[in-house]
Amino acid sequence: AQTVTQSQPEMSVQEAETVTLSCTYDTSESDYYLFWYKQPPSRQMILVIRQEAYKQQNATENRFSVNFQKAAKSFSLKISDSQLGDAAMYFCAYTEYGGGGTSYGKLTFGQGTILTVHP
Amino acid sequence: DGGITQSPKYLFRKEGQNVTLSCEQNLNHDAMYWYRQDPGQGLRLIYYSQIVNDFQKGDIAEGYSVSREKKESFPLTVTSAQKNPTAFYLCAAGVSGELFFGEGSRLTVL
Repeated sequence: AQTVTQSQPEMSVQEAETVTLSCTYDTSESDYYLFWYKQPPSRQMILVIRQEAYKQQNATENRFSVNFQKAAKSFSLKISDSQLGDAAMYFCAYTEYGGGGTSYGKLTFGQGTILTVHP
Repeated sequence: DGGITQSPKYLFRKEGQNVTLSCEQNLNHDAMYWYRQDPGQGLRLIYYSQIVNDFQKGDIAEGYSVSREKKESFPLTVTSAQKNPTAFYLCAAGVSGELFFGEGSRLTVL
């Protein structure tokens, strides 16, 4: 079974600085998707960024970027120029690639990392 | 507004009662999901449905039931067989793991 591990229960960062959240995963599949989701105090989950395993290039979305190391099964999230609105719980998630299978689209989540942003 | 609508936001249940959480979507996605979130833990998959009139158990389906009679609707029933139902429940819809989530329903057993 696939597992996703986030080893940092809590992280903090000063406003305008950069922070990196860590995630490792375990799978025997070669094709899959990885995601970072954000859960602000409102509790509604929001997709931050997505990475396809077959792509070597790291995904970037504005201030958010990932460092995807497929061989090491590592998938970290870097938040640059941190803002107060970035404060939330962040979840790393995994799903298998390929339409039609019963597992397709099922997300396996890590335990989450609470990010605090200090003004 | 487009999205996922969950109701009620807060629900209290006496032990031994079944309760049903509603989830409606207007995003036209075939796949819908129910997750449970406990404090300090990630989301765990309860049930999912990839098409109308079909659904599969997730990792923690015991004590729960679902139906998928319409594409737009995927209600979750928490039965009296669920021994520890107090939790935050999230419904989602999407494709390829890119999920849109509702605002959640918090269930408390009295």
